[in-house]
Amino acid sequence: GQSLEQPSEVTAVEGAIVQINCTYQTSGFYGLSWYQQHDGGAPTFLSYNGLDGLEETGRFSSFLSRSDSYGYLLLQELQMKDSASYFCAVRDSPGYSSASKIIFGSGTRLSIRP
Amino acid sequence: DTGVSQNPRHKITKRGQNVTFRCDPISEHNRLYWYRQTLGQGPEFLTYFQNEAQLEKSRLLSDRFSAERPKGSFSTLEIQRTEQGDSAMYLCASSPYSTTNEKLFFGSGTQLSVL
Repeated sequence: GQSLEQPSEVTAVEGAIVQINCTYQTSGFYGLSWYQQHDGGAPTFLSYNGLDGLEETGRFSSFLSRSDSYGYLLLQELQMKDSASYFCAVRDSPGYSSASKIIFGSGTRLSIRP
Repeated sequence: DTGVSQNPRHKITKRGQNVTFRCDPISEHNRLYWYRQTLGQGPEFLTYFQNEAQLEKSRLLSDRFSAERPKGSFSTLEIQRTEQGDSAMYLCASSPYSTTNEKLFFGSGTQLSVL
């Protein structure tokens, strides 16, 4: 089977830094993405890692280690509006493959305290 | 760019009825995905189109589910003989073709309640 494991809940303080981990076990691996979803809203794209290392986009960074089948999302200078669910997602076949699909983890609910 | 549009936003139906949802992707996007999401879970892959061709369908999807994308534009998802277990948010997403970084743009979803 294919699985992506994330912590179900994380709580952090406003202004702090939080890391959300994701480990994956899929038939193939062609990139790890992160999405944010506020309650009642649609998932929105945050970041993508195709190669090992760190990608930075403003307050958000994402890391990938393909040898460890592991990645994380790092959120800095937390704001109350960052309270949301965060999903890691893996593409399991090359993008040009007809059988390609993107699989999502079950999500991490991040709660920010003042 | 008006984003991905899904209709209806909410659908309440009785068990055994058929329902159909519509998704209008971003106009220049040739890839279209359907996902299902229940409370506290991540989006579950249902099916995927590249232009008008349905290239992948989840093995978990029963024969009661069918999707089409005529002319490679809008898509419809039909559920026949609905069951209470079909109650969920049905999300559509589109993306432009890319061999590397693929960014999905999601619609607001159709919330299905089967009574």
